[in-house]
Amino acid sequence: DAGITQSPRHKVTETGTPVTLRCHQTENHRYMYWYRQDPGHGLRLIHYSYGVKDTDKGEVSDGYSVSRSKTEDFLLTLESATSSQTSVYFCAIRDPTSGGQETQYFGPGTRLLVL
Amino acid sequence: DAKTTQPPSMDCAEGRAANLPCNHSTISGNEYVYWYRQIHSQGPQYIIHGLKNNETNEMASLIITEDRKSSTLILPHATLRDTAVYYCIVHGSSNTGKLIFGQGTTLQVKP
Repeated sequence: DAGITQSPRHKVTETGTPVTLRCHQTENHRYMYWYRQDPGHGLRLIHYSYGVKDTDKGEVSDGYSVSRSKTEDFLLTLESATSSQTSVYFCAIRDPTSGGQETQYFGPGTRLLVL
Repeated sequence: DAKTTQPPSMDCAEGRAANLPCNHSTISGNEYVYWYRQIHSQGPQYIIHGLKNNETNEMASLIITEDRKSSTLILPHATLRDTAVYYCIVHGSSNTGKLIFGQGTTLQVKP
């Protein structure tokens, strides 16, 4: 257990509304990631962070922004949600001291439905 | 990172060994082989990784061929709870740690 929680776990929202998903970790890991998972696509990286206020884009970053004002929290924001953003969102941390250099540990996921 | 190829699905009888293959013919010398699995509706779970030697932990064994172009994840005594999608990922050390997940192999363990 890498001490990762995600909130909310489930959310239903309407097209055009802003949505913020939170990832919280308790173990002070430097790297945090946001992925989305859709049928037929596997997991795809949205954004990642390599420190407080240090973030970068992944392969599917359009329509998403992130913020990391403190080590333990990594926020994913959908500024204006669209139906194509209906997905399951997973947060992950990277712990180079456990397993291997690139080992990531994932949170339980957030199921988002945009109507 | 090198591309991996896995069979889309496999079946295994409960109590028997599950052997999940992965091809990574373009792997480079500094790239590791990582295995994750995802049980339905849960986040992916790290299983094991290796560079060139065979590895074993409490969950599984990883056998990497001498030329490193393929590997096999072995679950020695599969249980129903091992039913999941198994992902083989090849990744070198980097500052970003970005992992690329393919489609994986859906392992169905049957009673």
